[in-house]
Amino acid sequence: KAGVTQTPRYLIKTRGQQVTLSCSPISGHRSVSWYQQTPGQGLQFLFEYFSETQRNKGNFPGRFSGRQFSNSRSEMNVSTLELGDSALYLCASSNTGKTNEKLFFGSGTQLSVL
Amino acid sequence: AQSVTQLGSHVSVSEGALVLLRCNYSSSVPPYLFWYVQYPNQGLQLLLKYTSAATLVKGINGFEAEFKKSETSFHLTKPSAHMSDAAEYFCAVSEQGAQKLVFGQGTRLTINP
Repeated sequence: KAGVTQTPRYLIKTRGQQVTLSCSPISGHRSVSWYQQTPGQGLQFLFEYFSETQRNKGNFPGRFSGRQFSNSRSEMNVSTLELGDSALYLCASSNTGKTNEKLFFGSGTQLSVL
Repeated sequence: AQSVTQLGSHVSVSEGALVLLRCNYSSSVPPYLFWYVQYPNQGLQLLLKYTSAATLVKGINGFEAEFKKSETSFHLTKPSAHMSDAAEYFCAVSEQGAQKLVFGQGTRLTINP
């Protein structure tokens, strides 16, 4: 079974641009979560989708958005990029989306904003 | 709101020595607790999780953790460190009613030969 796949692996953008990151969960998994990882703030929850519905959202500005498709694949979008958005963005999937369930993480997309 | 504190951003031990990584949590209700490991240039991998079934939880790669409610702790241990254990370790608590993890700041484990 293939793991969680995130594309692209690396991305370089300039301030003010927008970016879309993609995540393909493990086959059969219905929940997809996104996390931002930076040296200063650590790992922070962005949002979680289950069956195309956003169930939870972290404390990020509205420039950060996401969606989930009927095949459970998910995308996140960041508009009007700022230097502080440079980070590793991790996607995770789980089967049922229950609170105590194991998350399977992808290798992440490393975003650099210049 | 739940929170997690990991004591020590960097721990260094000798190969074969005991590994002890500390984690304290703050939660108003019985928590779900997790330890994840991140190897360089990779995502996170679950080591073990506590879900109230047993206070001593055994995980992969010889790691285990003990849930102590009186101390609000969930420390991770391994009796004998191996070079391959060098990585960053994250303790996390799951928010009630949501699949949302709150992570500690992480502890980088270095193994000396």
